[in-house]
Amino acid sequence: GENVEQHPSTLSVQEGDSAVIKCTYSDSASNYFPWYKQELGKRPQLIIDIRSNVGEKKDQRIAVTLNKTAKHFSLHITETQPEDSAVYFCAASRAGGGNKLTFGTGTQLKVEL
Amino acid sequence: DADVTQTPRNRITKTGKRIMLECSQTKGHDRMYWYRQDPGLGLRLIYYSFDVKDINKGEISDGYSVSRQAQAKFSLSLESAIPNQTALYFCATSDSGVSYEQYFGPGTRLTVT
Repeated sequence: GENVEQHPSTLSVQEGDSAVIKCTYSDSASNYFPWYKQELGKRPQLIIDIRSNVGEKKDQRIAVTLNKTAKHFSLHITETQPEDSAVYFCAASRAGGGNKLTFGTGTQLKVEL
Repeated sequence: DADVTQTPRNRITKTGKRIMLECSQTKGHDRMYWYRQDPGLGLRLIYYSFDVKDINKGEISDGYSVSRQAQAKFSLSLESAIPNQTALYFCATSDSGVSYEQYFGPGTRLTVT
């Protein structure tokens, strides 16, 4: 089955700096890669996703890049703000396989003032 | 607003007891999922259902069972709870259409003593 590894497990940045979280996946048939944000005590919520026919996707301060050859994808957050502090999860799935998501173990991002 | 709800939100039970966690959704989605979240392990899939007549095991189904009573309802049961089933449980839904996004419920915090 699919295996998703996520690094780092914790990340501390100064407000205004950039943050990068990296994930690797094992199943070359995976073709859908979402990122979820989970604030303390809240449910995970999708912030951005990418499909394998695209190398990069951007939404305001958030971007995701995908390298299918190396089987890794990354989340980039620019101009970080305190409200970006949360746990971020990457995931991978075969969209044709019922969208069963395999999640990474999460990154605790702390944006310090 | 269309939403995913879970009951109960918190539950403390004793080893050996049977417990049911319930999930309801008003999004009209056909696919429903149960995950458990443990610190440092991310979210792991327990069971998933593509429609009322379709139930599938996820990566950690041992010790759990599910029932899809209607398109909008998906219940998770622990037949004989054990302490290592103490975790945060999330229900999620998705549409079988173009979007692959999964929408999560607020979670149920279960403690088995």
